[in-house]
Amino acid sequence: KAGVTQTPRYLIKTRGQQVTLSCSPISGHRSVSWYQQTPGQGLQFLFEYFSETQRNKGNFPGRFSGRQFSNSRSEMNVSTLELGDSALYLCASSPTLDGEQFFGPGTRLTVL
Amino acid sequence: AQSVTQLDSQVPVFEEAPVELRCNYSSSVSVYLFWYVQYPNQGLQLLLKYLSGSTLVKGINGFEAEFNKSQTSFHLRKPSVHISDTAEYFCAARRGAGSYQLTFGKGTKLSVIP
Repeated sequence: KAGVTQTPRYLIKTRGQQVTLSCSPISGHRSVSWYQQTPGQGLQFLFEYFSETQRNKGNFPGRFSGRQFSNSRSEMNVSTLELGDSALYLCASSPTLDGEQFFGPGTRLTVL
Repeated sequence: AQSVTQLDSQVPVFEEAPVELRCNYSSSVSVYLFWYVQYPNQGLQLLLKYLSGSTLVKGINGFEAEFNKSQTSFHLRKPSVHISDTAEYFCAARRGAGSYQLTFGKGTKLSVIP
């Protein structure tokens, strides 16, 4: 069974631009969560989706948004990029609300 | 709110020696506890988890952890480390059923010295 896929793996943007990251969960998984990983703040929760509904959102500004499609694939969008948005963005999928989370390899975003 | 504290940011250890990576959590509600490993340029891989039941949890790659409710700890141990165990390890907590938002510790970098 294929794992969680994240595209692109690497991305370079400049301040003020916007970016969309994609996550394809493991087949059959209905839950997707997103995390931001930075050297200073560590791993921080962004949002979680289950069956196209956002169930929870972390403490991030409104520039960070996401959605989940009917096939469980998820996207997150960051608008008006700032230097501090440079990070590894990790997506995790789970088969159920309480199930184990399986992480993808992440998308490395660099904002110049 | 819950928080997770990993007491050591870096742990060097010689190959074949035992290792313990420490993790404390705070929560006013029951928690589920996890240890993840991250190799360079990769995502997180689950090592083991504590949901309920036996306080000694065995995971992959020879790792185990013990849940101690009175000390609010969930330390990770391995009796004999290998070079391939060099990686960053994250302790994480999650509230009980209904939410899978993980709260992570800052991570511990384990360096195995040949």
